[in-house]
Amino acid sequence: GDSVTQMEGPVTLSEEAFLTINCTYTATGYPSLFWYVQYPGEGLQLLLKATKADDKGSNKGFEATYRKETTSFHLEKGSVQVSDSAVYFCALKPLTSGSRLTFGEGTQLTVNP
Amino acid sequence: DTAVSQTPKYLVTQMGNDKSIKCEQNLGHDTMYWYKQDSKKFLKIMFSYNNKELIINETVPNRFSPKSPDKAHLNLHINSLELGDSAVYFCASSQGGSHEQFFGPGTRLTVL
Repeated sequence: GDSVTQMEGPVTLSEEAFLTINCTYTATGYPSLFWYVQYPGEGLQLLLKATKADDKGSNKGFEATYRKETTSFHLEKGSVQVSDSAVYFCALKPLTSGSRLTFGEGTQLTVNP
Repeated sequence: DTAVSQTPKYLVTQMGNDKSIKCEQNLGHDTMYWYKQDSKKFLKIMFSYNNKELIINETVPNRFSPKSPDKAHLNLHINSLELGDSAVYFCASSQGGSHEQFFGPGTRLTVL
């Protein structure tokens, strides 16, 4: 079945450090890929998405590129801020699944001043 | 305006009780979901309704029963609560096969 694997957390960085959170997936065909973010005490929000190979999703300084050859969708940000502290979820939606999303396990990010 | 709202935000109850969580969305979406998030933040889909019709029903104990009175509402009723039901329950909605799901703020259920 479809699955998403994220790097284990927690991740702790200093402000202005470079961030990478790895995400790889297993799916039939070409799924759409997403990063969701969950700030403390809140629900998930869509951060960015990519719907086909080589697409780059970007938002709020975060980027992720859909790499079909490595089945990956790693999240990056050049300079993190304290306000980026949250849990980040990688997710996929297969082409034919209707609206079902499969989430990774989430990666807790803490950014210290 | 709140897009997806849930009540209550916190729910503390004893084992064996029956409780309900309500969800409403004002986005005009036709698909709604219930997710369970455990203490390690792992998120698992439980149910999904499209136009009041059940379309996703994961392996969930039959003590959990969703009810969708209309497209804007999806409630979750839980019978005979157990300690393992303690979690944060999230409601979400989307427009059909649209990529983005909009999540509510969550209901933290604690079973004592």
